[in-house]
Amino acid sequence: NAGVTQTPKFRVLKTGQSMTLLCAQDMNHEYMYWYRQDPGMGLRLIHYSVGEGTTAKGEVPDGYNVSRLKKQNFLLGLESAAPSQTSVYFCASSYSSRAGELFFGEGSRLTVL
Amino acid sequence: AQKVTQAQTEISVVEKEDVTLDCVYETRDTTYYLFWYKQPPSGELVFLIRRNSFDEQNEISGRYSWNFQKSTSSFNFTITASQVVDSAVYFCALVMDSNYQLIWGAGTKLIIKP
Repeated sequence: NAGVTQTPKFRVLKTGQSMTLLCAQDMNHEYMYWYRQDPGMGLRLIHYSVGEGTTAKGEVPDGYNVSRLKKQNFLLGLESAAPSQTSVYFCASSYSSRAGELFFGEGSRLTVL
Repeated sequence: AQKVTQAQTEISVVEKEDVTLDCVYETRDTTYYLFWYKQPPSGELVFLIRRNSFDEQNEISGRYSWNFQKSTSSFNFTITASQVVDSAVYFCALVMDSNYQLIWGAGTKLIIKP
């Protein structure tokens, strides 16, 4: 009963390095989201997807790219990491775009030095 | 503009006390949904409740209850007889029917002391 799985859970990067966070869900949800959580700021939406092959920008998309090649996977990429991207990243999925509850992964803690 | 305000940054109470977490929202849409999520110290986010804008009936689930009042644009959350396990950060969130994006409050950190 995996639900939403994020990998890796922790990562330390140097400024300028690239990396990809993987989110996988096994609930056949159409909608998937990437959020970042910073102290005192709640969650901010980075990018989201309303179905396989589609992506859209959220509130804070700069410096990130995403892909949804398969319905169950949603990848978040950082092409050139910056210290401002130090954060905890959460992936979520839902069966409905608005009324549905979000199912979250456990989070990925990223530190950029 | 759409906005969710959780004015209480942190609340600390002694176990068995009742505690209310406030949530005030702003939206011009007539159709919207409100949520509460819990984030315990372990870090995962857990869904607690969803309420749509046409249903102002209050909800009770065990020790948890929610008071939705459109007249004051509030969706407050009360924990009765609090327990140490209720210690967490609680988030209120809003989504409009016209938009995919959940708007999150900044969260209220609830500390329950034994």
